[in-house]
Amino acid sequence: QQQVKQSPQSLIVQKGGISIINCAYENTAFDYFPWYQQFPGKGPALLIAIRPDVSEKKEGRFTISFNKSAKQFSLHIMDSQPGDSATYFCAAFIRGSTLGRLYFGRGTQLTVWP
Amino acid sequence: DAGVTQSPTHLIKTRGQHVTLRCSPISGHKSVSWYQQVLGQGPQFIFQYYEKEERGRGNFPDRFSARQFPNYSSELNVNALLLGDSALYLCASSLAGTGNEKLFFGSGTQLSVL
Repeated sequence: QQQVKQSPQSLIVQKGGISIINCAYENTAFDYFPWYQQFPGKGPALLIAIRPDVSEKKEGRFTISFNKSAKQFSLHIMDSQPGDSATYFCAAFIRGSTLGRLYFGRGTQLTVWP
Repeated sequence: DAGVTQSPTHLIKTRGQHVTLRCSPISGHKSVSWYQQVLGQGPQFIFQYYEKEERGRGNFPDRFSARQFPNYSSELNVNALLLGDSALYLCASSLAGTGNEKLFFGSGTQLSVL
């Protein structure tokens, strides 16, 4: 059973546009929600993360919006650039657990056309 | 500072063989986790080790085993390889305790089983 559901599977955006990726979860024990960026041949790299006590977190062109009641969160990439073309994964984590396990979504392949 | 290092980067094996993958965590990190990433999917949790002890195990058969050494490096072993074991195997390190949720991934070992 997929604990974190991610959509869309693929996304094509024009340079300068806004890329939006959505995720949803069911387990209310999750209390840390990171986004990872992965380029071909590389491991996932932590991009930005949010905790459920805030509704939005912004770092440069990347923003996470979090809706605790709906159990949904999303990544917005403003002014998308060709260099942003990569696969993006949302994930969830239970910080209070002794087990350091990330639950990943299936990923979104983003292509930004110049 | 060196990040998480994994070896080898690529490996080709045949069905029924055994494989050992190696990982060195970031200096100062005491926890190591292993993930399997099948093409087109998000990483799936296999194991977490902390202070040489297994902290948790994902839904993988007993053919998968791991261990952590006193210097916090780790090995993942897979016996009786199946075609379905072909995947990118990722190692992630974290501080454990405070900061446990921040996982840093290596570039992975691409295993092909023929």
